[in-house]
Amino acid sequence: NAGVTQTPKFRVLKTGQSMTLLCAQDMNHEYMYWYRQDPGMGLRLIHYSVGEGTTAKGEVPDGYNVSRLKKQNFLLGLESAAPSQTSVYFCASSYSTRGVYTEAFFGQGTRLTVV
Amino acid sequence: AQRVTQPEKLLSVFKGAPVELKCNYSYSGSPELFWYVQYSRQRLQLLLRHISRESIKGFTADLNKGETSFHLKKPFAQEEDSAMYYCALSGVTSGTYKYIFGTGTRLKVLA
Repeated sequence: NAGVTQTPKFRVLKTGQSMTLLCAQDMNHEYMYWYRQDPGMGLRLIHYSVGEGTTAKGEVPDGYNVSRLKKQNFLLGLESAAPSQTSVYFCASSYSTRGVYTEAFFGQGTRLTVV
Repeated sequence: AQRVTQPEKLLSVFKGAPVELKCNYSYSGSPELFWYVQYSRQRLQLLLRHISRESIKGFTADLNKGETSFHLKKPFAQEEDSAMYYCALSGVTSGTYKYIFGTGTRLKVLA
């Protein structure tokens, strides 16, 4: 059972380049999330999804787009990378049962540097 | 507005001393509350959740709805407890699902 897997683990981009981060989960979870982690800022929610084909904005959505075409995958796109997007990105998934929301299961993180 | 507040960015204690990591929340509903831990360069992992009312690695956390707090406590800190700790909440309010984290507290346990 792989859990939550993020691809790639590391990436260096030049300003203005685009890229897509892939998150895959094999636990059949309904909910998926993308966070960025910055020193002193903690984890900030970028976008999230409550089910296949649905997405919603989090706290810091600007400059990012997401898609959830399949339940197990949640893609995060940067159309035109900026140095301010240098961060560690975490994907997570969770589910609810009988109205109780479970903990989030995290990927290993993607360290992105924009130069 | 929904919010999770962890007032301390850094907490340093000596080995064997008691630890309390503070967490306050603001939420117009009945949230689920969690504590997550992140050891150096590892992924976040669940430490405990309020509905379980269990002790994990000697840590406990009690939900105080009156004070809207969910502080994490351990009576005797160990060096291996040094890590980043995040408080989080999840739930639905006004039909919108939320899962949000605090800014985290770095715990350093000194020998």
